[in-house]
Amino acid sequence: KQEVTQIPAALSVPEGENLVLNCSFTDSAIYNLQWFRQDPGKGLTSLLLIQSSQREQTSGRLNASLDKSSGRSTLYIAASQPGDSATYLCAATFANFGNEKLTFGTGTRLTIIP
Amino acid sequence: DTGVSQDPRHKITKRGQNVTFRCDPISEHNRLYWYRQTLGQGPEFLTYFQNEAQLEKSRLLSDRFSAERPKGSFSTLEIQRTEQGDSAMYLCASSLVVEWGAKNIQYFGAGTRLSVL
Repeated sequence: KQEVTQIPAALSVPEGENLVLNCSFTDSAIYNLQWFRQDPGKGLTSLLLIQSSQREQTSGRLNASLDKSSGRSTLYIAASQPGDSATYLCAATFANFGNEKLTFGTGTRLTIIP
Repeated sequence: DTGVSQDPRHKITKRGQNVTFRCDPISEHNRLYWYRQTLGQGPEFLTYFQNEAQLEKSRLLSDRFSAERPKGSFSTLEIQRTEQGDSAMYLCASSLVVEWGAKNIQYFGAGTRLSVL
C-alpha cells in the first residue's frame, strides 16, 4: 500500500528564516510528486510538481526536491513571510496506478511569526 | 479561465437526506477528480473521469455515492441517505492530460463543505 507521510504536523518559524518541509513515501515507483498549499477552509493551490525523471523544481522562493531512492521530498521556503502561513500538503501519484489519483500526506501546518 | 468552480460552498443537511454537489472544471480539461477531506487529514481520492467516462472508483465510494459527468464537462456528486460520517469537505479537481504518463497537474476548486446533522 502506498503511503505518504509528513512530519512534523505543525511548525512555527520566525519571519525571515529559511525552512524545510518534509514528505516521505513508501513506494519508489512514483510518477509525480506535487506540493500544495491550503489556507483554512479553502481548496488547494498547486505550488510545484516534480516528475519522476526530475530531481527538483523551483518557483520564486520555493524549491522542491525529489529523491526516489530514499523515498523523500522536501519543500524549501526561503526568506519566510507571514503570508506563507498555511497548511502544506504533498501528494504523489504512483506508477502502478497509472498516474491518476493523488495520495496525500496529512500536511504540515506552518505558522510564520512576525 | 476562471478555475475550478464548486457549488454550493456549504451544505447543511439532516441525516437521511440526499444531497448533490456540482463541479465545473477548467474548460477543455479532459480529466475530473473528486476527493474527500476530513478535518486534520489530507484529501482522499474518490473517483475520476476521463471526458464522460468514469474510469476508477475508490472503495470509499459506497453505493450511496454516485458521480456523473454526462457531457464531459461539469460533474455532479450525489450522496443518498446521508450519514453523519459523510460530513467532510468534498473537493473537485481537473487536469489536462494529452497522453498516458504525461505530466498531470491537478487544479483544485474551493470545495463543498458538507455538514450532516
